[in-house]
Amino acid sequence: NAGVTQTPKFQVLKTGQSMTLQCAQDMNHNSMYWYRQDPGMGLRLIYYSASEGTTDKGEVPNGYNVSRLNKREFSLRLESAAPSQTSVYFCASSEVGSSGVNEQFFGPGTRLTVL
Amino acid sequence: AQTVTQSQPEMSVQEAETVTLSCTYDTSENNYYLFWYKQPPSRQMILVIRQEAYKQQNATENRFSVNFQKAAKSFSLKISDSQLGDTAMYFCAFMNPFYNTDKLIFGTGTRLQVFP
Repeated sequence: NAGVTQTPKFQVLKTGQSMTLQCAQDMNHNSMYWYRQDPGMGLRLIYYSASEGTTDKGEVPNGYNVSRLNKREFSLRLESAAPSQTSVYFCASSEVGSSGVNEQFFGPGTRLTVL
Repeated sequence: AQTVTQSQPEMSVQEAETVTLSCTYDTSENNYYLFWYKQPPSRQMILVIRQEAYKQQNATENRFSVNFQKAAKSFSLKISDSQLGDTAMYFCAFMNPFYNTDKLIFGTGTRLQVFP
């Protein structure tokens, strides 16, 4: 049981390049999320997916697109990378636990640098 | 809009001592959840403890406990018998699943250093 996995772990892009960050979970969770973490700030929600086939914008969606390919996978795409998108990206998934509280489980993160 | 504030950017504590991390939040809702997450140098986000707002009893998980003051909108984390492995960033987070979705709103974090 790997939990939430993310690829790649590190990536360097040049301004204007595109790339897709991959995320997969093996916990059969319905909800999945993409966050970014910048120095001095907490995690901020980019996009989320409450179930397979649905996606919604979070707090900072500009410059990103997402795809909920199936229940397991939720990808984040940067069409034209900008230096402001240099950040650490976290994927998470969640389900209501036995306590009745929705708990989010996080992947290990992807450190992205845009030059 | 809900906000979460952590006013202590950095804290330090000696091994075996007790330390308290502060968190305040702002919401007009009555039912919600609060969380503390730990992020060690490995970057992995780990859930430390959670509190349901409708419960008056403060949550406890081994050496970690919270002081939840609903009227004051305060949610502090107490770490007892601090260990070197507690060195990490700690994030307070808010969730209101009853309003729309189960999105987490994070504070800016407190960096905790445990010294031998």
